Amino acid sequence: SQTIHQWPATLVQPVGSPLSLECTVEGTSNPNLYWYRQAAGRGLQLLFYSVGIGQISSEVPQNLSASRPQDRQFILSSKKLLLSDSGFYLCAWSALSGRGGETQYFGPGTRLLVL
Amino acid sequence: GQNIDQPTEMTATEGAIVQINCTYQTSGFNGLFWYQQHAGEAPTFLSYNVLDGLEEKGRFSSFLSRSKGYSYLLLKELQMKDSASYLCAVRDPDSGNTPLVFGKGTRLSVIA
Repeated sequence: SQTIHQWPATLVQPVGSPLSLECTVEGTSNPNLYWYRQAAGRGLQLLFYSVGIGQISSEVPQNLSASRPQDRQFILSSKKLLLSDSGFYLCAWSALSGRGGETQYFGPGTRLLVL
Repeated sequence: GQNIDQPTEMTATEGAIVQINCTYQTSGFNGLFWYQQHAGEAPTFLSYNVLDGLEEKGRFSSFLSRSKGYSYLLLKELQMKDSASYLCAVRDPDSGNTPLVFGKGTRLSVIA
């Protein structure tokens, strides 16, 4: 069965510091991978989307970046964090289902607090 | 453009039935998803509808009407553990690289 891991689970970082969040998927090949952010009381905001190694689509311009160095690894980074980067960061994976849909399955998330 | 609307909050009594509605306006449509998200946790997949009608899965059912741009999630025999946010999401293949558009979620509180 497929599993998705994220770490760290919780992170407190000062403004201006760098960020690296990692996500890995097991039990599947060539998944689509996603990074979302969920701010308190708000909906899921898609940040980045990847269909393969080195292929990244950015949905929202900001001071974050993403990379996919391996098939099942997705990394979210920042060179200098802002207060507004605080939130719950979720990684998700999907594969085309037999019915033509694309169900996304989420990792446990990383709660980031920027002070 | 893309728009997904859900009520912000709902309250229901343990043992009762509750219906959470979702309306959507998207350029294209290739499926509607419902997710459950408990406070502080990640969303978990509940259901997927791509054809009109009702899909039943235990205590949960999901309905879709493509012509009306409307779906609902029906929860029967409510339990306290059903207190959570319920997210509606639409797959819009015409939206380029954004495969799912999420609503802001409906926070359901189940009371005794």
